Amino acid sequence: DGGITQSPKYLFRKEGQNVTLSCEQNLNHDAMYWYRQDPGQGLRLIYYSQIVNDFQKGDIAEGYSVSREKKESFPLTVTSAQKNPTAFYLCASSPPDRVTDTQYFGPGTRLTVL
Amino acid sequence: GQNIDQPTEMTATEGAIVQINCTYQTSGFNGLFWYQQHAGEAPTFLSYNVLDGLEEKGRFSSFLSRSKGYSYLLLKELQMKDSASYLCAVLDSNYQLIWGAGTKLIIKP
Repeated sequence: DGGITQSPKYLFRKEGQNVTLSCEQNLNHDAMYWYRQDPGQGLRLIYYSQIVNDFQKGDIAEGYSVSREKKESFPLTVTSAQKNPTAFYLCASSPPDRVTDTQYFGPGTRLTVL
Repeated sequence: GQNIDQPTEMTATEGAIVQINCTYQTSGFNGLFWYQQHAGEAPTFLSYNVLDGLEEKGRFSSFLSRSKGYSYLLLKELQMKDSASYLCAVLDSNYQLIWGAGTKLIIKP
């Protein structure tokens, strides 16, 4: 089945530790995105990538890092520099259709930093 | 600045009709999306409007007025499974999606 997978669904880490969230898609989409969602707020863009080996900062990139070595994969690292990392993280991808740019989302990873 | 406004929460009765409004102020406009998000799950695509008017898709319809910076999502024959948050998002001139905070819709029997 085609789709976007994120793992794990729930993740717990101690404060000060880096953690990497995985995002894989087999939809052959060029663009991939990472969002953060906090209660009562809209989705906020962390990083996005339009093509392999290239990525751009979103609105709240500080304390995060990404890589895009393969078209299918766009992992997000939450570093110890991120002041408030506990949140619901969503990965999305979209096909190379600039007319609609419909984004398709993975199931999300809920990160809790203790 | 860019801004998307939606009501925080709405309540409706099973079998009824509800209209969820969205107003936007963005730098440019390349379309407006509605997504549905059940609690703890990923958003799923509902509709895309880029031209003025009403787009109907089964029980759900979406309306756009570009001159007014306004859209609404109309849900008919409400079912309990429609209880979810509804997210409005606008694609700006840089093809970046600007998201509203979402409207939590509560359906009562």
